[in-house]
Amino acid sequence: SAVISQKPSRDICQRGTSLTIQCQVDSQVTMMFWYRQQPGQSLTLIATANQGSEATYESGFVIDKFPISRPNLTFSTLTVSNMSPEDSSIYLCSVSGETRLDTQYFGPGTRLTVL
Amino acid sequence: AQSVTQLGSHVSVSEGALVLLRCNYSSSVPPYLFWYVQYPNQGLQLLLKYTSAATLVKGINGFEAEFKKSETSFHLTKPSAHMSDAAEYFCAVTEGGYNKLIFGAGTRLAVHP
Repeated sequence: SAVISQKPSRDICQRGTSLTIQCQVDSQVTMMFWYRQQPGQSLTLIATANQGSEATYESGFVIDKFPISRPNLTFSTLTVSNMSPEDSSIYLCSVSGETRLDTQYFGPGTRLTVL
Repeated sequence: AQSVTQLGSHVSVSEGALVLLRCNYSSSVPPYLFWYVQYPNQGLQLLLKYTSAATLVKGINGFEAEFKKSETSFHLTKPSAHMSDAAEYFCAVTEGGYNKLIFGAGTRLAVHP
């Protein structure tokens, strides 16, 4: 299984600022995803991070608010831009192979609080 | 589109009792189904997965789940609960031909002495 780390593990930010979250994997992976888990709720997929091209966003999420980079097969970043208290959530990255048979592994998450 | 329904947002059992967490799915294609566990302040850990092989799937920590196509269910069970099983449990299904996961709302399991 892949070992995934995220930085920072938690942060408290002011309204209107931006935060970039890093996701690092210990081996090359095909697929990387970013999820949001709002307080007391389930996980919702934000986007699929594509290596060498623009991320694929899910309905309700836009690039201007959640820009994503994936410069190589082991690293991705998610930026939460112009934050508001509604952005307070846990943000998790996950990785997998390219088929449905492949298990998806999750990072420990980044707990974000926006004041 | 695929979807997952978890019945019971909170389940409480006594230590040593049977654990049953319910999951029903909706899918227009043969589903791949997963159970993940989230301990407090941690990420998600895979418990088990169904990928169209055996319908009874055994996972880690003594958990198992049975895929029942006729009931569109994938309930998670453990014969004897342990205090360390207290956590949030998520059922998930992959969407379409891709490995994008669709999660249920989650069930918080409490285990009391």
